[in-house]
Amino acid sequence: DIQMTQSPSTLSASVGDRVTITCRASQSISSWLAWYQQKPGKAPKLLIYEASSLEGGVPSRFSGSGSGTEFTLTISSLQPDDFATYYCQQYHSYSYTFGQGTKLEIK
Amino acid sequence: EVQLAESGGGLVQPRGSLSLSCAASGFTFDSFAMAWVRQTPGKGLEWVSTISGGGVSTYYADSVKGRFTVSRDNSRNMLHLQMNDLRAEDTAVYFCAKENHLSGSYSDSWGQGALVTVSS
Repeated sequence: DIQMTQSPSTLSASVGDRVTITCRASQSISSWLAWYQQKPGKAPKLLIYEASSLEGGVPSRFSGSGSGTEFTLTISSLQPDDFATYYCQQYHSYSYTFGQGTKLEIK
Repeated sequence: EVQLAESGGGLVQPRGSLSLSCAASGFTFDSFAMAWVRQTPGKGLEWVSTISGGGVSTYYADSVKGRFTVSRDNSRNMLHLQMNDLRAEDTAVYFCAKENHLSGSYSDSWGQGALVTVSS
């Protein structure tokens, strides 16, 4: 199975900050990567698919980049609603593995 | 609007069985693969299984292979997960999710989840 490793596990930041989360795959997954946001007690919400395509309705401050084995999710200017946990997922091949998550906390 | 609603969660003893269902609406059900993803309390997400839109192809995580069976009833827009030989480590919230392609892809819509607790 393809392993997905996110860093950091926890990130403390302030409103207005620019933040970047990294996701690394254990082998090449081309651009078959999605990013999700999850808030406590809620279902995950799709943000980005195919590494860099923004899902409809998602604010443009979210962006994704990368291909092959290294990917990033960037939030250009943090808003209060963005404090949540973020997961990457590869859908290149089964099993569709997730990263372990990055919890974005208010500094 | 896509809507997914899980049902069937609850408390079950180790080595017991439980069946989850997911009622789908708001999209052409048989045109999309469907998935089950679980989340252990306080932990991360784990993909469990995917079934293709026509129901012909199924895929499972190694951790559940041979114990869980995914199926779908396209005439009723229903997704099912039959879970047998349950273990304590299967305790989790189980989400059903719509995948973005007939034969599997990322999940673009999710249900609210059903809690399964395996304990004596």
